[in-house]
Amino acid sequence: AQTVTQSQPEMSVQEAETVTLSCTYDTSESDYYLFWYKQPPSRQMILVIRQEAYKQQNATENRFSVNFQKAAKSFSLKISDSQLGDAAMYFCAYRSAIRAGANSKLTFGKGITLSVRP
Amino acid sequence: DGGITQSPKYLFRKEGQNVTLSCEQNLNHDAMYWYRQDPGQGLRLIYYSQIVNDFQKGDIAEGYSVSREKKESFPLTVTSAQKNPTAFYLCASSTISGLHGYTFGSGTRLTVV
Repeated sequence: AQTVTQSQPEMSVQEAETVTLSCTYDTSESDYYLFWYKQPPSRQMILVIRQEAYKQQNATENRFSVNFQKAAKSFSLKISDSQLGDAAMYFCAYRSAIRAGANSKLTFGKGITLSVRP
Repeated sequence: DGGITQSPKYLFRKEGQNVTLSCEQNLNHDAMYWYRQDPGQGLRLIYYSQIVNDFQKGDIAEGYSVSREKKESFPLTVTSAQKNPTAFYLCASSTISGLHGYTFGSGTRLTVV
């Protein structure tokens, strides 16, 4: 079974600075998808960024980018120019590229709480 | 706009009662999921369904039941057999490929009184 580990329960960043959130995962599969979700105090889960494992290029979405190291099974999220609205819990998630059955589920890490200091 | 609607937002359950959480989507997604969120535990899968009239147990299905009579709807019943039901419940949907991840509802907070 796949597992996702987010070892840092909390992090803090100064407004306008850059912060990196770590995530590692364990899988024997070669084709899969990785995601970062944001959960603000409203508790609505919002997709931040996704990465397809067969793509070597790291995904970017505006101020958010990832550092995907497939061999190391590492998938960190970098937030540049941090804003107060970035304060939230962030979850890393894994999904097999196999469509059927139990492989269709997203496996989540336990999350990291990010605070942004003004 | 397409999305997922969960209701109610807050729900209170008395000991021994069954309660049903509603989840409706208009995204034309085939797959739907129920997750439970507890502090420090992340999200844990309760049940999922990839097609109408079929569903599978997730990692923590005991004390829960679901149905999938329509593509758009995937209600979750928390039965009296669930000994610790107080939690935040999230419903999600996706395409079968899952390439774009899940779309989530806004959640239901269930409290036992």
